[in-house]
Amino acid sequence: QTVVTQEPSLTVSPGGTVTLTCASSTGAVTSGYYPNWFQQKPGQAPRALIYSTSNKHSWTPARFSGSLLGGKAALTLSGVQPEDEAEYYCLLYYGGAQLVFGGGTKLTVL
Amino acid sequence: QVQLQESGPGLVKPSETLSLTCAVSGYSISSGYYWGWIRQPPGKGLEWIGSIYHSGSTYYNPSLKSRVTISVDTSKNQFSLKLSSVTAADTAVYYCARHTMSGWYYMDVWGKGTTVTVSS
Repeated sequence: QTVVTQEPSLTVSPGGTVTLTCASSTGAVTSGYYPNWFQQKPGQAPRALIYSTSNKHSWTPARFSGSLLGGKAALTLSGVQPEDEAEYYCLLYYGGAQLVFGGGTKLTVL
Repeated sequence: QVQLQESGPGLVKPSETLSLTCAVSGYSISSGYYWGWIRQPPGKGLEWIGSIYHSGSTYYNPSLKSRVTISVDTSKNQFSLKLSSVTAADTAVYYCARHTMSGWYYMDVWGKGTTVTVSS
């Protein structure tokens, strides 16, 4: 069973920068896993932020960016705003058309 | 503007079959994309259940494959989920979503979700 691991929780100060990561139990995450990132606020459906490692949707704020970092997928928030407090999920695509979500990172802005 | 709307019973008895439908508006399912189901148990993370291509090809999470059937009805522009032999562990918010699996891989449109409780 493939497991995708994220930090359970992170805290950042308003205006600061934070990086969330996404690791795969199968080894290094590469662009071939097409990492996606989603933001979910309480009581709401997830909202897509980043696709195929580093591409932003038209609605994604400029302060969000995606990359690969040390064998993991990464989501960096620069100039964090209070409204960025949320749960963040990564999604990896595996061969054979299998999709696996990470366990999520609860981001607190304090 | 593409919109997805889940519907179905909010309460299902243990051992019975959970059935949900996702109605798509603003886009014709026949035109392409994959159409998937994702669930989220209370207080937990997201789990991909499975997806169907507009042609009818299906892909399932191996952990649920024996109990899951996803189908598409292009005439009604909707797709459906059936999950058999449910237990309390299947209690969750169920989302439907549109996604790709070629070129730029993304999952861009989600329904608002529907809560399903498994209880006698």
